[in-house]
This record gives sequence, C-alpha cells and structure tokens, in this order.
Amino acid sequence: TQLLEQSPQFLSIQEGENLTVYCNSSSVFSSLQWYRQEPGEGPVLLVTVVTGGEVKKLKRLTFQFGDARKDSSLHITAAQPGDTGLYLCAGLPSGGYQKVTFGTGTKLQVIP
Amino acid sequence: DADVTQTPRNRITKTGKRIMLECSQTKGHDRMYWYRQDPGLGLRLIYYSFDVKDINKGEISDGYSVSRQAQAKFSLSLESAIPNQTALYFCATSTSGRLDTQYFGPGTRLTVL
Repeated sequence: TQLLEQSPQFLSIQEGENLTVYCNSSSVFSSLQWYRQEPGEGPVLLVTVVTGGEVKKLKRLTFQFGDARKDSSLHITAAQPGDTGLYLCAGLPSGGYQKVTFGTGTKLQVIP
Repeated sequence: DADVTQTPRNRITKTGKRIMLECSQTKGHDRMYWYRQDPGLGLRLIYYSFDVKDINKGEISDGYSVSRQAQAKFSLSLESAIPNQTALYFCATSTSGRLDTQYFGPGTRLTVL
C-alpha cells in the first residue's frame, strides 16, 4: 500500500496569513491531485499536477509537484475564511492504471 | 440535480444489523468507488468497480460487500454492522485515464451503536 502523509494535520490561522501544506510519500506517482472538502460535502478537485517540478497557480493557491514526483506542496497566500476546509492530496501510481491513494488530510481553519 | 447522489445521508443502527448504502450517478462514468473517512486517516478505499462486471477489493474491504447493479448504481453493504464501522462513507465516480478526476457524492454518516 502506498502511503501519502500530509502535514500539518491541523492548522488554525488568522485571515491574511500565508500557509503551506505538505504531502509526502516514499513512492513515485504519475500524477498528483489536490482536493478540498467542506463540511457536509464530498471532496472537490482543485488541481492535477503531472510533471516533476511542475507549478500550478489557482488564484491565491500555488501547487508544486516535487522533482522526483514523490511529494507535493500547497501554498495559500493571504488566506481567507472561505479557504477553510479539509485539504486532501491524492496520488495516482505510475506503472499502469491503479486506484488513486488519498493522503491523511490537513484541516485548515481561517479565522476572520 | 446532483451528479452523484447517496442515500441515506444519515443512519443510526445497532450492532449486528445489516445496512445498505446506495449510490447513483448521472455522469455516465464507468468507474465507481466506495470510500470510508475517519478523522486523521483521510479517505480509505473499500471497494471499486471499473465497469458493471468488474468488482475489486480496496484496502479495507473486510466486513463490507458491494453490488454494481448497473453502470449508474453501486451499493455498499455491511452484513453485520459493528461500532468501529462508524464513519463517513463516500461514493465517487471517475473516467478512465491518467488524469483521473474523482467526483464525490455528499456522503453518508453512519453510526453503529
């Protein structure tokens, strides 16, 4: 079983602060995704990264895929209360189709 | 209307009871999944199905069974529920391919007393 460890597990910050969430594994992934889940709802895809070293930006969110395709980070600039939620990374293994593996999750609270 | 629906949304049951959770989708996707979510553990895969005739165990299939009645319907059963199966359960669908996006239902909160 391929494991994806996320850190930190919980994060509570003030509105306007910056933060970074990490997703790490000892396994190589062909692509990596980030999802956000709000209370009472299922996760929703934010982004998919497929190339080692790739950086994608989605407004105030910056996603990076590690050069070796074993890790990823999510950086949020000037966090807002609307960013509150559970952030999940998910990796698709290399070497033929297999099921996606989800990370352990980071619960973010942005205080107004 | 939601693309992926789950019923019931909440269920409280007793130890030993048989429970069925249902999932329907209108996205036309071949692949469907059942996940369990516990605090601090992210999403763990219970079963998945790549088409109507294909059923595969995930990482935590013990104590669960599934049925793929049609392309659009995928049910999860707990034959004899136990308290440590108390969790949030999600159904998801996806297309095939390397950039496989999972589309999730709203979840079923199950409590086993």
